[in-house]
Order: sequence, then C-alpha cells, then structure tokens
Amino acid sequence: GQNIDQPTEMTATEGAIVQINCTYQTSGFNGLFWYQQHAGEAPTFLSYNVLDGLEEKGRFSSFLRRSKGYSYLLLKELQMKDSASYLCAVMDSNYQLIWGAGTKLIIKP
Amino acid sequence: ETGVTQTPRHLVMGMTNKKSLKCEQHLGHNAMYWYKQSAKKPLELMFVYNFKEQTENNSVPSRFSPECPNSSHLFLHLHTLQPEDSALYLCASSQGTGGADTQYFGPGTRLTVL
Repeated sequence: GQNIDQPTEMTATEGAIVQINCTYQTSGFNGLFWYQQHAGEAPTFLSYNVLDGLEEKGRFSSFLRRSKGYSYLLLKELQMKDSASYLCAVMDSNYQLIWGAGTKLIIKP
Repeated sequence: ETGVTQTPRHLVMGMTNKKSLKCEQHLGHNAMYWYKQSAKKPLELMFVYNFKEQTENNSVPSRFSPECPNSSHLFLHLHTLQPEDSALYLCASSQGTGGADTQYFGPGTRLTVL
C-alpha cells in the first residue's frame, strides 16, 4: 500500500529553527508537495520538489532525497504565525496526490 | 486567497436531508477536485474532474454525487448521509493533472450530519 509518515505534533520556540520530516512509500513518484494549513482554513501551497536537493524560499526550505523516500521542511526564524499544520503529499505514478496526516506545529514564545 | 471559493462554509444536516456544496475557481484552471478531511487523518481524494469530465472516483458511496457543469464550477450533492460523513469537505483546482500541477484549495465546508 501507499504510505506517507510524518510526526503528529512538534513544538518549537519563536525565533528558532524546526525541521519537519516526511517519509513515503508510494507506487511511483512524480513530485512531493508541502502545504501549510492554519486551523479552519484552506491548505496553502509551500513547495514542490521533484529532483533531489534543497529548494529555498525565504524562511522556508524543502529537501528531497528520492532514494531514501525522504523529505523535510525546514522553517527558520520561527514566528507565532507559523503555528499551523504542515501537510506532506506525494504524487504517485497515476498523478494522484497521496497525503500524510499532517504535522501540527506549536510555536511557543 | 480568493482564487477558490466554497459555499456554504458550515452546514448541519439530518440524515434524510438533501443539500449541495458549491465550489467556484477564478484561476482559469482545467481540473477540479473534491477532498474529505477528517480530524487527524490524511486528506481523502473523492472525485477529480478534468475539462469537465470525471476522471477519478475513489470508491465514494453513491450518497455523494458530484456535478461539474463547466471548468469553473463544481458541486457535491449530498443525500441520506451518515454521521460518519461529518468532516471538512475541501475543493481544489489545478491547471492540469500532471506532476507539477499545484492544487489550490478553497476554505472548505464544515459538514455536520446529525
């Protein structure tokens, strides 16, 4: 079966750095997405990786290592507004997105 | 973000009611999706439409009936639902259905079935 694993919840301090890991086992691979979802709101797109390596976008970076079925989302200089759930999703060989259950990130002052 | 809108935002219905959820996208996209999001569970893909044609139905019970009159509008008709159908229903759209086609989501309809 297809599976996406990510931690259920993480806690970090304002101004610090946090890394959210995602491991996947899917039938085929056509890219990996990270989304942010604040409580009661729509998921919003953060990043897309299809090749190995690091993609940097401001305070957020996403890393992919396809041979390990592994990705992480790195958030720097954490702000209180970064408190949200972070969803990892992989596009499989049928071009369907397979979703993780999300990681709830709690930022403390 | 007002690219994808959904109405209503909240809906409470009994098991014998019939209701419809509406989604509209203003992004000029060709593909639209319905997802179900339950607490602490991954998003579940329900239906995919590409150029108004249904291309995916992920074994969704017939009490959920989608309709896509054009590439900008998507409906989900609900009838004789069960309490376990209570969830957040999200609509999304994308330019196409290829690998790099990012999906953009609406705010969702919070559905409660009594």
